[in-house]
Amino acid sequence: AQSVTQLGSHVSVSEGALVLLRCNYSSSVPPYLFWYVQYPNQGLQLLLKYTSAATLVKGINGFEAEFKKSETSFHLTKPSAHMSDAAEYFCAVSDLDTGRRALTFGSGTRLQVQP
Amino acid sequence: DVKVTQSSRYLVKRTGEKVFLECVQDMDHENMFWYRQDPGLGLRLIYFSYDVKMKEKGDIPEGYSVSREKKERFSLILESASTNQTSMYLCASSLGLGDPLETQYFGPGTRLLVL
Repeated sequence: AQSVTQLGSHVSVSEGALVLLRCNYSSSVPPYLFWYVQYPNQGLQLLLKYTSAATLVKGINGFEAEFKKSETSFHLTKPSAHMSDAAEYFCAVSDLDTGRRALTFGSGTRLQVQP
Repeated sequence: DVKVTQSSRYLVKRTGEKVFLECVQDMDHENMFWYRQDPGLGLRLIYFSYDVKMKEKGDIPEGYSVSREKKERFSLILESASTNQTSMYLCASSLGLGDPLETQYFGPGTRLLVL
């Protein structure tokens, strides 16, 4: 089964600073990758997903992620953090090889934005 | 907009009780999922269903069962609640066309405390 690793359970940035949240996947075959966000007291919602059409994927709220096969990475970035970006972010991979149509999630990264 | 609703936001139960968590989606989705979310562990798949009366075990099915009698409703059952089942439970659904890039839509979660 595929897996994803998120480095850093907590990331703190200042408002206006660059946001970088790391995700590495384990697979020799390019997987189908996702970033989901969970705002306080809410369920998860999709930020963006990698479709293999382009290595740089743009999502909602100014976030984007770059797929790097050589590094098996799919890091999430945003040029300028906003207070409203404070949330928990999850990288996920589709379990193609098991055929179970589910997602395998990373452990999550909680983003704090300081004023 | 897809809406996934969960019957309770917060639930307190006693050890040994039988617990029912209900999930309803309003978009005629084929696939429905139950995840458990714990700090530092991300989301882990308990069970999923790809059709009425069909179910598949996920990564951590022990101590849980599910029921899907109608397409829109997917219930998670804790046969005899234990303290180690204290957690946040998230329900999700997806269209079910076999596309690995399908978005999963999440409910707001049920925070269960077992005393």
